[in-house]
Amino acid sequence: GAVVSQHPSRVICKSGTSVKIECRSLDFQATTMFWYRQFPKQSLMLMATSNEGSKATYEQGVEKDKFLINHASLTLSTLTVTSAHPEDSSFYICSAKGQGWGETQYFGPGTRLLVL
Amino acid sequence: QKEVEQDPGPLSVPEGAIVSLNCTYSNSAFQYFMWYRQYSRKGPELLMYTYSSGNKEDGRFTAQVDKSSKYISLFIRDSQPSDSATYLCAMTARGNEKLTFGTGTRLTIIP
Repeated sequence: GAVVSQHPSRVICKSGTSVKIECRSLDFQATTMFWYRQFPKQSLMLMATSNEGSKATYEQGVEKDKFLINHASLTLSTLTVTSAHPEDSSFYICSAKGQGWGETQYFGPGTRLLVL
Repeated sequence: QKEVEQDPGPLSVPEGAIVSLNCTYSNSAFQYFMWYRQYSRKGPELLMYTYSSGNKEDGRFTAQVDKSSKYISLFIRDSQPSDSATYLCAMTARGNEKLTFGTGTRLTIIP
């Protein structure tokens, strides 16, 4: 149980375009989903927290207009990188938490974004 | 000072050895402790989840929490080459949804 998927696993796009990344909880209802960014050989950096049906809470320094998060249902959250630039190239990972699970988060496999 | 300190390694040990991974923390409110394993270019995988002080064992893995010393450990017995990965400790306080991560320790098991 507790499987989280992400799609796509890799994406290459041109500078200025927008990219959407999907995060799904496959076998549970995720009351809260989280989006992280990870640079090579570094730990995870939390970007935002989202609860189903409400606006995401962004961490300090994360541009909410650039990184649009939609948590449309209890099994789906999306991250859209708008007007992507080469500095947005990174590894994006989502995680999800189910109700009554304490504070455990289960992570997706990650999406590698390369902006040319 | 970071809230969670973890030696980044790299740590190399021979196959079959016992591996000890550790994290220290400064926030006494932390009560929930997790260990994640992350293979290169993959998302973190939950290995162990413990609440408050004590030990928890699952197969070859044992997690220890010493709240008085603000110190947590993960032991891997009979280490295998497939255990080669980065190990992240994570922790949080009651009612706090966000996890605070260590920097991760890169572990290599030498066949």
